[in-house]
Amino acid sequence: GAVVSQHPSWVICKSGTSVKIECRSLDFQATTMFWYRQFPKQSLMLMATSNEGSKATYEQGVEKDKFLINHASLTLSTLTVTSAHPEDSSFYICSARLSGPQSYNEQFFGPGTRLTVL
Amino acid sequence: GDSVTQMEGPVTLSEEAFLTINCTYTATGYPSLFWYVQYPGEGLQLLLKATKADDKGSNKGFEATYRKETTSFHLEKGSVQVSDSAVYFCALGGGADGLTFGKGTHLIIQP
Repeated sequence: GAVVSQHPSWVICKSGTSVKIECRSLDFQATTMFWYRQFPKQSLMLMATSNEGSKATYEQGVEKDKFLINHASLTLSTLTVTSAHPEDSSFYICSARLSGPQSYNEQFFGPGTRLTVL
Repeated sequence: GDSVTQMEGPVTLSEEAFLTINCTYTATGYPSLFWYVQYPGEGLQLLLKATKADDKGSNKGFEATYRKETTSFHLEKGSVQVSDSAVYFCALGGGADGLTFGKGTHLIIQP
């Protein structure tokens, strides 16, 4: 149980286009999902916290108009990279938080999406 | 802000060797501490966790103890296997916030 999927697993796009990445919790409901970004040989950096039915909370330095997050249901959050540029090329990873007193707010991670902007 | 420092890799060991991957942290308050593992081509999986000082997390032969006095959470395993080859991430956080990760340590176990 507690499986999180991401789609697509990799995407190549032209500079200036927008790309949408989906994150789904397959067998549980997640009121909170997180989006991370990972550069080569670097740690995962938290980009934003996505809460179902409300606006996302962005970390300092992350452009909210560039990285649009929508958490329309308890099992789906989307990240749209708008007007993508080569410097946006990265590995994007989502996680979904399992809530409850016994879960210690454990997060379950998706497999990641590799974005390459040409 | 919070931060996690873990030893740089890659770490290369022979099968059945003893493993230690160091992890130290700085944080306000009393965060939970985690070790995640990422096998090739897969997403991060929780390996073990500890939620308060002196707690020991353990799973699949791996152990780590939450040491508040040294702000450390070192990962250990007595006898590694080839199948343990992966990238290991130390992280802190929990609660309503996202996690703060170390850079990851690539572990290579040779037969």
